[in-house]
Amino acid sequence: DQQVKQNSPSLSVQEGRISILNCDYTNSMFDYFLWYKKYPAEGPTFLISISSIKDKNEDGRFTVFLNKSAKHLSLHIVPSQPGDSAVYFCAASGGDGNKLVFGAGTILRVKS
Amino acid sequence: DAGITQSPRHKVTETGTPVTLRCHQTENHRYMYWYRQDPGHGLRLIHYSYGVKDTDKGEVSDGYSVSRSKTEDFLLTLESATSSQTSVYFCAIGDYGYTFGSGTRLTVV
Repeated sequence: DQQVKQNSPSLSVQEGRISILNCDYTNSMFDYFLWYKKYPAEGPTFLISISSIKDKNEDGRFTVFLNKSAKHLSLHIVPSQPGDSAVYFCAASGGDGNKLVFGAGTILRVKS
Repeated sequence: DAGITQSPRHKVTETGTPVTLRCHQTENHRYMYWYRQDPGHGLRLIHYSYGVKDTDKGEVSDGYSVSRSKTEDFLLTLESATSSQTSVYFCAIGDYGYTFGSGTRLTVV
């Protein structure tokens, strides 16, 4: 049973527009959430995180929103750039120590 | 990432043979992890370590074993490789935010 779900396998966005990537979780013990970005033939790299005591965290063009009651988080990228094209993984921890549980990933394509 | 090195980067092996993947870190971090990445499944935890000689199983540990005799090295062994273990393997270090290595692409034929 997947505890972290990314229901959109892929997303295509025009350069300059907003990209919104979504993630749902089922484990109410999760208290820390992260987004990772992955390019082909490279390891995932940390992008942004949010603690369950917050509902928003912003870092430049990237903002993560957390809705605890809905067990839902989203990553907004504004404006989207072609270099943002990558696989984005949502991850969560808190249910079992500090181990991260990952979603299946969403492939983002930003068209120029 | 310069702090984590995985070797080999690519490997092709035959079914039934043992295979060992190596993860080496220079960050002196206590926690180390092995994940595998497969389409539709994302990253799934195989084994992890919270110190020298302290290891535990993750979500998909069947067919894998690990060893950590030094802080800097975390070895993943496929005891008898099967085609279902064809995957990309990532090592990571960290507490709540991991740093990942560049991965090992393993093909079992």
